[in-house]
Amino acid sequence: GAVVSQHPSWVICKSGTSVKIECRSLDFQATTMFWYRQFPKQSLMLMATSNEGSKATYEQGVEKDKFLINHASLTLSTLTVTSAHPEDSSFYICSARDRGVYNSPLHFGNGTRLTVT
Amino acid sequence: SQQGEEDPQALSIQEGENATMNCSYKTSINNLQWYRQNSGRGLVHLILIRSNEREKHSGRLRVTLDTSKKSSSLLITASRAADTASYFCATDGNKLVFGAGTILRVKS
Repeated sequence: GAVVSQHPSWVICKSGTSVKIECRSLDFQATTMFWYRQFPKQSLMLMATSNEGSKATYEQGVEKDKFLINHASLTLSTLTVTSAHPEDSSFYICSARDRGVYNSPLHFGNGTRLTVT
Repeated sequence: SQQGEEDPQALSIQEGENATMNCSYKTSINNLQWYRQNSGRGLVHLILIRSNEREKHSGRLRVTLDTSKKSSSLLITASRAADTASYFCATDGNKLVFGAGTILRVKS
């Protein structure tokens, strides 16, 4: 089945530093990838839609200069949390659609637990 | 903004019982999907039902969709302890929007 690999699975960083999270589709190509944020015991909130070869589309209230998204290839999207602060601590999950499958469901990575101290 | 809203928020049942979770949404959809999330992990796709379908089965899962009421239900039959997880519905207009989820606990 379609596999999305997300790395790292967890990261602890100091306030003010930047953290990069990678999302790879291992056995399919994804024109579009999605980045979600999830707080404890809450649902997933869509942060942005990552489009291969073009700029990401951010949801209302999400700072694009804070959460930099790059989708340089059909199998890789990255999310960089810049100048991280404790309030950025959260669970970040990426997902991708298989562009070769009509109405493909989203395939999710296992998430990245970010803790900013 | 979140569109799907699940109820109940939490459900605790005994192994072997059936579990029913409901989802309501607000706008028109192309399809509705159900996902499962184990604690601290990513989501796993369970089943997709298209807007022109009314019922769909997959193993122990049964999903119904009522577009007139803008609601869907997920039934897990003969539940097992391993079914313990959070379950989310997601509506797919242009992009997936997730509901708040139902936390299911199956006691053995």
